[in-house]
Amino acid sequence: KQEVTQIPAALSVPEGENLVLNCSFTDSAIYNLQWFRQDPGKGLTSLLLIQSSQREQTSGRLNASLDKSSGRSTLYIAASQPGDSATYLCAVEGNSKLTFGKGITLSVRP
Amino acid sequence: NAGVTQTPKFQVLKTGQSMTLQCAQDMNHEYMSWYRQDPGMGLRLIHYSVGAGITDQGEVPNGYNVSRSTTEDFPLRLLSAAPSQTSVYFCASSTPSPYYGYTFGSGTRLTVV
Repeated sequence: KQEVTQIPAALSVPEGENLVLNCSFTDSAIYNLQWFRQDPGKGLTSLLLIQSSQREQTSGRLNASLDKSSGRSTLYIAASQPGDSATYLCAVEGNSKLTFGKGITLSVRP
Repeated sequence: NAGVTQTPKFQVLKTGQSMTLQCAQDMNHEYMSWYRQDPGMGLRLIHYSVGAGITDQGEVPNGYNVSRSTTEDFPLRLLSAAPSQTSVYFCASSTPSPYYGYTFGSGTRLTVV
């Protein structure tokens, strides 16, 4: 059974800091990995998708990497802003379904 | 706008009542799935489908029923609602080729009293 872990559960940083959010998974036989953002009381917004043949993806200040052999992915956020405050979810795709981590709740202090 | 549409957005049920959460997508996606999100538990898969007429159980299927008669629709039925089913429910869809990841609906917040 695939298990996805995101540690820590919560993180508070000052504005402007570069930060890394970690995601680990137990079964390396995944096809794809997707990072989502969720604001309180809202739905899931897809941030980045890394397909199995790729090692990283970039969108603006966000960069996500995938190392299947070690069962890890990282989401790098450059020059964090208060608007980045949200919960960040990592999900691995295998056998036509997603398995989620419990998320990291990020707070960026002005 | 193309996407995944869930109805209703909010619902209050009494214990023992039944209801159907609706999910529709207009992207011709083969894959559809239902998740529930609970505090401290993250998102857990309830049921999923890889095409019309094909469904399978996820991690937490008990108390829920699904069917997939069309590509577009994937309703989730609560047979006899229990307070433990109080949760936020999300529907998602995807296609294996070309693969662009999963698209999620905006969710249904269900309270069972």
